[in-house]
Amino acid sequence: EPEVTQTPSHQVTQMGQEVILRCVPISNHLYFYWYRQILGQKVEFLVSFYNNEISEKSEIFDDQFSVERPDGSNFTLKIRSTKLEDSAMYFCASSGTELAKNIQYFGAGTRLSVL
Amino acid sequence: EDQVTQSPEALRLQEGESSSLNCSYTVSGLRGLFWYRQDPGKGPEFLFTLYSAGEEKEKERLKATLTKKESFLHITAPKPEDSATYLCAVRTGNQFYFGTGTSLTVIP
Repeated sequence: EPEVTQTPSHQVTQMGQEVILRCVPISNHLYFYWYRQILGQKVEFLVSFYNNEISEKSEIFDDQFSVERPDGSNFTLKIRSTKLEDSAMYFCASSGTELAKNIQYFGAGTRLSVL
Repeated sequence: EDQVTQSPEALRLQEGESSSLNCSYTVSGLRGLFWYRQDPGKGPEFLFTLYSAGEEKEKERLKATLTKKESFLHITAPKPEDSATYLCAVRTGNQFYFGTGTSLTVIP
C-alpha cells in the first residue's frame, strides 16, 4: 500500500542551525501539507502546497519556514534558524485528486529536537 | 476565532462497552470535518470526512455523525485494538484545525 515517507525519523540540532525535513508523498498525489505536534499538544497546520506554490499557511509559518518541491518526488520543509520552541514532531501529509483532496495520508513524522 | 474542542480527554472502556466521543467546533465556512486515529509514535490515520449536517459515515465498529455544531464518533462493542487517540479536525479555506484528541483505552 502506498505511503508517505519522512526522513529522518529523529533530527537533533543546535539552536540557530538550519534543518531540512524531507518527505516523499504518495506518487500520484497533488496536494501536500506540513503539520507539527508539540509534545502533548494538538496537531497544528503549518502549510498547504499545490501546483508548486503555497496555497495556505498558518500564523506559525513565518519567514523562518519555507517549503519546496525540488523534484517530482520530494517535498521539504526548511527551518532557517531553529529555536528551542521548534522542538516538535513534524508530519507531512499528501492527498490526491480534486475529488479526494480532503483524504490526507500522513507520514510517521520527524521528531525535531532543538538543543 | 476558529476552534475545535474534543471531549472527553480520555476514556476507558471495557471490551464490548459502547460509547461516543464528541467534537464541537466553531468555524466560519466549514469545508469538511474529519476524524483520524493516531497510534503512539505514528501519524494520524484518516477515518472519515463529513461535509453537511445530518451526514453519517460508518466503518466497522465506528460511526461518525455531524450536526451544525458538533460531531460524534460512536464506537460500538469496542475491542482492545481500537485503543488509540482519536482526533477531530475541521477544514476552513485551505487550513485545517485539529482538536486535542480523545485517548481511548479498551480493556479486555
